[in-house]
Amino acid sequence: QKEVEQDPGPLSVPEGAIVSLNCTYSNSAFQYFMWYRQYSRKGPELLMYTYSSGNKEDGRFTAQVDKSSKYISLFIRDSQPSDSATYLCAMTKNTGNQFYFGTGTSLTVIP
Amino acid sequence: EAQVTQNPRYLITVTGKKLTVTCSQNMNHEYMSWYRQDPGLGLRQIYYSMNVEVTDKGDVPEGYKVSRKEKRNFPLILESPSPNQTSLYFCASSLYGSHSPLHFGNGTRLTVT
Repeated sequence: QKEVEQDPGPLSVPEGAIVSLNCTYSNSAFQYFMWYRQYSRKGPELLMYTYSSGNKEDGRFTAQVDKSSKYISLFIRDSQPSDSATYLCAMTKNTGNQFYFGTGTSLTVIP
Repeated sequence: EAQVTQNPRYLITVTGKKLTVTCSQNMNHEYMSWYRQDPGLGLRQIYYSMNVEVTDKGDVPEGYKVSRKEKRNFPLILESPSPNQTSLYFCASSLYGSHSPLHFGNGTRLTVT
């Protein structure tokens, strides 16, 4: 079993919808959580970076961490066609120097 | 502009012909790392470095070499490339390793025939 699980989708939503992207993990040692957006033929771009449990908001994006359930989410409000991309979750532990990635969820926002 | 720069963006080569992919960052980051990305497998770490002259294996190091002679540069070397190394490669850096987020380059698409 992988340490980080992410539904690959694809996910297709109409413009203006609220999008919910999720990852689950198995190791309670994970402390730092990230969401990346990757456009086709580009490198992953950092969207959100959070530590431990709770919510963090940045514009139309909200990252949520529930450590008790080992579950993280990224919400996109008022989704736009420009949000069409693959979204990757990532996490790290307090010790060690490895980043653990989900396989990514492909999102298409239809105008 | 703060960035991670990889070169080349595209590379086609033949089996056995040594190649180097360069990576440079201008953010004074301590940590640098190489990943390969394959459909269905996601990002897999090849090697990483926490400091100059310090490198460690990731999940898939076989067939690759790295060096960190200067803080800003972290080249990836394939001494004898094989077709199973055809992939999309990303270099990434972070300020303090796993306690800060990774910043990625734009990738190098390598094809080995």
